[in-house]
Amino acid sequence: AQSVTQPDIHITVSEGASLELRCNYSYGATPYLFWYVQSPGQGLQLLLKYFSGDTLVQGIKGFEAEFKRSQSSFNLRKPSVHWSDAAEYFCAVGGNNQAGTALIFGKGTTLSVSS
Amino acid sequence: KAGVTQTPRYLIKTRGQQVTLSCSPISGHRSVSWYQQTPGQGLQFLFEYFSETQRNKGNFPGRFSGRQFSNSRSEMNVSTLELGDSALYLCASSPGQGRNSPLHFGNGTRLTVT
Repeated sequence: AQSVTQPDIHITVSEGASLELRCNYSYGATPYLFWYVQSPGQGLQLLLKYFSGDTLVQGIKGFEAEFKRSQSSFNLRKPSVHWSDAAEYFCAVGGNNQAGTALIFGKGTTLSVSS
Repeated sequence: KAGVTQTPRYLIKTRGQQVTLSCSPISGHRSVSWYQQTPGQGLQFLFEYFSETQRNKGNFPGRFSGRQFSNSRSEMNVSTLELGDSALYLCASSPGQGRNSPLHFGNGTRLTVT
């Protein structure tokens, strides 16, 4: 069965420090992978997506993620965190074409930024 | 372009009642999906509609239903509310119906069942 695991429930990073949020997926075929961010009281905003090709993908707000098939991982990174990055981050995997746009989400990682 | 609009933002209902939530997708988007978000279960897929047809359904009881209108607007209905239905209900729209069509989410409807 398809699944997504985000091992870290909560991470605190100092402003200006680098960030890496972990995501591991379980999927039989080539996965379609996404990272979304949710600020308090808001919906989810797409940060980046991976379908195929270059395994390092760039997203909005200075985020990037690297797809590693051998490790079944799709970790999100940012070189320098800003206080406004404090939010909840969700990794998601898309199913096969029969599943349409339905996504399976991880439980999320809450990012706190300290000054 | 206006984003996905969900109404109302907040709802308080009593156990046993029913509720209808509304979602207006981004103009031109024909796919609408619904997700339930709770602290315990996280984000869970409810169903997806495309061109007024339900394409996929998640693992939820029949008390949860939805529909899509010809203008792509969608409604979700929950009958015989239970305390466990308290959640943030998120609607998302997408221009296409394939898995490479990213979702654009609304800000959600916060449902509280007492």
